[in-house]
Amino acid sequence: KQEVTQIPAALSVPEGENLVLNCSFTDSAIYNLQWFRQDPGKGLTSLLLIQSSQREQTSGRLNASLDKSSGRSTLYIAASQPGDSATYLCAVMNLKTSYDKVIFGPGTSLSVIP
Amino acid sequence: GAGVSQTPSNKVTEKGKYVELRCDPISGHTALYWYRQSLGQGPEFLIYFQGTGAADDSGLPNDRFFAVRPEGSVSTLKIQRTERGDSAVYLCASSLLGLAGDTDTQYFGPGTRLTVL
Repeated sequence: KQEVTQIPAALSVPEGENLVLNCSFTDSAIYNLQWFRQDPGKGLTSLLLIQSSQREQTSGRLNASLDKSSGRSTLYIAASQPGDSATYLCAVMNLKTSYDKVIFGPGTSLSVIP
Repeated sequence: GAGVSQTPSNKVTEKGKYVELRCDPISGHTALYWYRQSLGQGPEFLIYFQGTGAADDSGLPNDRFFAVRPEGSVSTLKIQRTERGDSAVYLCASSLLGLAGDTDTQYFGPGTRLTVL
């Protein structure tokens, strides 16, 4: 069964620093991978979606990469700002219909210190 | 246009009671997903609708949980004989195509916080 993990569980960085969040998954038969942001008490906001045939996606200061064969994705945040403080979750959508359709990782809680 | 909305935002109930949670997806979105999120964890998939039909309900934990989407728009998640372990935030998401398109982004509602006393 697909399992998704995220490292680190929590991260605190000073404002302006570049940082990398990691996501790993055990089954490479995925449809796509999405990175989300969740603010306390709020729903999830989609940041980037990478199709299974793609290697990376970029949006502003965010860059997400996907290496399906090794079961890894990274989210790179450039020049971090206090407003980036949130929990970041990755989620894979599975191809195999006998599995749960979408599996989320537990998230990385990011705190950017002014 | 309006995003995904969920009602109520908070629901407190007693053990053994029946509850209904409602989700209004983005207009025109054919796919609708229900998730459950416990504190400190990522959302856990429950069920996925493509149109009116439940395309995958493999995440429903047991037969006390049931969801419907009779007209392919609004969905209701129904929980019978609630237990304290059902306490969580229940999230709903919708997407334009579902698994018909691998570029499909899910848009999430704010969730319903369910507390079973």
